[in-house]
Amino acid sequence: DAKTTQPPSMDCAEGRAANLPCNHSTISGNEYVYWYRQIHSQGPQYIIHGLKNNETNEMASLIITEDRKSSTLILPHATLRDTAVYYCIVRGKLTFGQGTILTVHP
Amino acid sequence: DTAVSQTPKYLVTQMGNDKSIKCEQNLGHDTMYWYKQDSKKFLKIMFSYNNKELIINETVPNRFSPKSPDKAHLNLHINSLELGDSAVYFCASSQNPRTGGWETQYFGPGTRLLVL
Repeated sequence: DAKTTQPPSMDCAEGRAANLPCNHSTISGNEYVYWYRQIHSQGPQYIIHGLKNNETNEMASLIITEDRKSSTLILPHATLRDTAVYYCIVRGKLTFGQGTILTVHP
Repeated sequence: DTAVSQTPKYLVTQMGNDKSIKCEQNLGHDTMYWYKQDSKKFLKIMFSYNNKELIINETVPNRFSPKSPDKAHLNLHINSLELGDSAVYFCASSQNPRTGGWETQYFGPGTRLLVL
């Protein structure tokens, strides 16, 4: 299973875009990249996933590099309620790492 | 309507006791999971069932026994509770083939277990 690396924490101003990076240099060709988040004291929540192409849904956008060794989750207009731990996971790995603690401040 | 529900939300018990945590999903999914989140916040898979059949069983003490009476329910029974079992336990479900690979998972609110 491919390993992922994320910065431990990031800050973002409310209303600005939050760009959360993830490295997955050992990803194999058929492994998807998934993003989840966990708001304090709640269960993890699915955000988005992708294989090769960039993806967008109502919550976020996912940009995957052409070599697929890294990706970026973009929250276009962060709100205070987006403060959470964000996990980048490669399909097949059923353990969430430490993720990135995103703090959105006023 | 709650998609994935767990009971109880909090569970405080003494060492050596036996306890169960219940999970139900009303999403019509075929696969359900149990995860454990420890004090360091690492979330690790424990078990996965597909259509009542066990498909993933990580290195978990055999004091932990999952039971799936039907595909909408996956209960977790824990015998002889130990201090180290204190954690938050999350149930999840997904619609995916029995390979046990990832699809979009929906998580319950968690059960906070404290063993004294």
